[in-house]
Amino acid sequence: AQSVTQLDSHVSVSEGTPVLLRCNYSSSYSPSLFWYVQHPNKGLQLLLKYTSAATLVKGINGFEAEFKKSETSFHLTKPSAHMSDAAEYFCVVSEDSNYQLIWGAGTKLIIKP
Amino acid sequence: NAGVTQTPKFQVLKTGQSMTLQCAQDMNHEYMSWYRQDPGMGLRLIHYSVGAGITDQGEVPNGYNVSRSTTEDFPLRLLSAAPSQTSVYFCASRTDLSGNTIYFGEGSWLTVV
Repeated sequence: AQSVTQLDSHVSVSEGTPVLLRCNYSSSYSPSLFWYVQHPNKGLQLLLKYTSAATLVKGINGFEAEFKKSETSFHLTKPSAHMSDAAEYFCVVSEDSNYQLIWGAGTKLIIKP
Repeated sequence: NAGVTQTPKFQVLKTGQSMTLQCAQDMNHEYMSWYRQDPGMGLRLIHYSVGAGITDQGEVPNGYNVSRSTTEDFPLRLLSAAPSQTSVYFCASRTDLSGNTIYFGEGSWLTVV
């Protein structure tokens, strides 16, 4: 069965410092993995997706994520945080066998000036 | 190209009332779904449809009803609203069950008092 664990409910960083949002998944088959961002009182926007091509995936707004099968991880990173990055981030897994999406609980990213 | 359109954006209901959340997409997508989002949790699947005339239950279907008479529309009905249904609801669509790009509506904030 699929599952997604976002290891931190809140992450706080200073503007200009690196961002790391951690995600571990469990999947019996070849998964597709996604990161979505949700700004306060807004809808969901796709940041990036992994679908069995390159393991390092580049997304929008300077974010990237690396698929590590041996560690069953798909952590999201950004070299330098910006105030506009303050939002909630969701890690999502989908198995090719059933295509249903399983969502992590979300990580709230707080940017300190 | 409007994408996925949800209405209403905000709604307050009294316990026991019924209402319908509307969802329409203009991308000719076969797969549509409804999610609810609650604090501290990821999105949870309520119902989904793989094409006109076909619907199925997701993780949390109780208290909700759906129909898919056309490819474009996928309304979600609350039969008798309860305070536990206070949530943010998202409609989503993708090309088909294996489509990796998912399009979300902007969300409907529902409060049941």
